[in-house]
Amino acid sequence: NAGVTQTPKFQVLKTGQSMTLQCAQDMNHNSMYWYRQDPGMGLRLIYYSASEGTTDKGEVPNGYNVSRLNKREFSLRLESAAPSQTSVYFCASKYRYSRHPTGELFFGEGSRLTVL
Amino acid sequence: ELKVEQNPLFLSMQEGKNYTIYCNYSTTSDRLYWYRQDPGKSLESLFVLLSNGAVKQEGRLMASLDTKARLSTLHITAAVHDLSATYFCAVDDSGFNKFYFGSGTKLNVKP
Repeated sequence: NAGVTQTPKFQVLKTGQSMTLQCAQDMNHNSMYWYRQDPGMGLRLIYYSASEGTTDKGEVPNGYNVSRLNKREFSLRLESAAPSQTSVYFCASKYRYSRHPTGELFFGEGSRLTVL
Repeated sequence: ELKVEQNPLFLSMQEGKNYTIYCNYSTTSDRLYWYRQDPGKSLESLFVLLSNGAVKQEGRLMASLDTKARLSTLHITAAVHDLSATYFCAVDDSGFNKFYFGSGTKLNVKP
């Protein structure tokens, strides 16, 4: 059971380049999330998808787009990367509240992105 | 927007000592989560607190939740070096299916 899988694990981009971070979960979770982690700032929510077919903005959505491709997959796209987007990106998933009482998040291993 | 504040942000302590990490949040919620993160690694779930007065314990760590005070604590008893990590609390804004995280407490337990 792989849990939450993110690719790539490491990426270096030049300013203005685009890329997509991929995330897949095999736990039959309904909700999926993208966070970024920067030193001293905890995790900040970029976008989330409460269920297949829906996406919503989080705290820091500017410069990003997302696609909930199906129930398993949730991708994060940087259209024109900027140095301020250098960060560690985490994908996470969980059951919706109504399906599972604990509702805890399960995280992928992270994707370390550097924008030069 | 829900705010989650942890303190302290950094904690250096000797093995064998006790200490408490505090997590305050700004809006009504009856669900709070504690996670552990080792350097360069992902986040691992430690505790899930689902109601007012909930208390969970695992080894030297004990977490509690006071929803009326909007406060959770993570108490460390007789710290050991293996507990060195960053600890995050997170609140589930249930109505909007969002999770909000504190800034984390970096714990260093010195032998």
